[in-house]
Amino acid sequence: QQQVKQSPQSLIVQKGGISIINCAYENTAFDYFPWYQQFPGKGPALLIAIRPDVSEKKEGRFTISFNKSAKQFSLHIMDSQPGDSATYFCAASQPRAGNTGKLIFGQGTTLQVKP
Amino acid sequence: GAVVSQHPSWVICKSGTSVKIECRSLDFQATTMFWYRQFPKQSLMLMATSNEGSKATYEQGVEKDKFLINHASLTLSTLTVTSAHPEDSSFYICSARTVSYNSPLHFGNGTRLTVT
Repeated sequence: QQQVKQSPQSLIVQKGGISIINCAYENTAFDYFPWYQQFPGKGPALLIAIRPDVSEKKEGRFTISFNKSAKQFSLHIMDSQPGDSATYFCAASQPRAGNTGKLIFGQGTTLQVKP
Repeated sequence: GAVVSQHPSWVICKSGTSVKIECRSLDFQATTMFWYRQFPKQSLMLMATSNEGSKATYEQGVEKDKFLINHASLTLSTLTVTSAHPEDSSFYICSARTVSYNSPLHFGNGTRLTVT
């Protein structure tokens, strides 16, 4: 119930291509779905987040697509650049009341963008 | 804005000693802070949730006597690894959010602990 499953584990994309990372969850009480980017030796940095009342959110080259009925959400990175090479984590949390809004993370996807 | 500072960034200690890691919210008040642990090439595993002025809530399997958490103010939480052993070597990351329900979670840059 508390798991967030992420795929693929690793991804290689050519520069300029589209990177797509998928996540699935079971707990229907989750109401906040962020994506984080992490570089080696650093803490995760928030990229973009979505709530279940919208099906898509776009910020620059990053887009989250959300399918509530399928309990799936995905991150699309358009025009991928070598600087995007990092590990990406999806996450989910329940409302703060009674749960403090703690984040449950997916397993992570290591993205390599080849020049 | 929303900067979380973690100190030290790395520490090496001998087995049996204790190590304290500090997590500060620099430009906001954090009512809730979370401590995560991350092994190489793995995901972040939540260790505990700390609320200012109250006892931390530990996740299942995390020894509260080994990983002491104190959230003494709205800008500071500390994690003390007591009687450290080599298996405690890991990357420890704190995170914090403001009082707002919709506020995102901000992470520190982590502390690399190596126990020799």
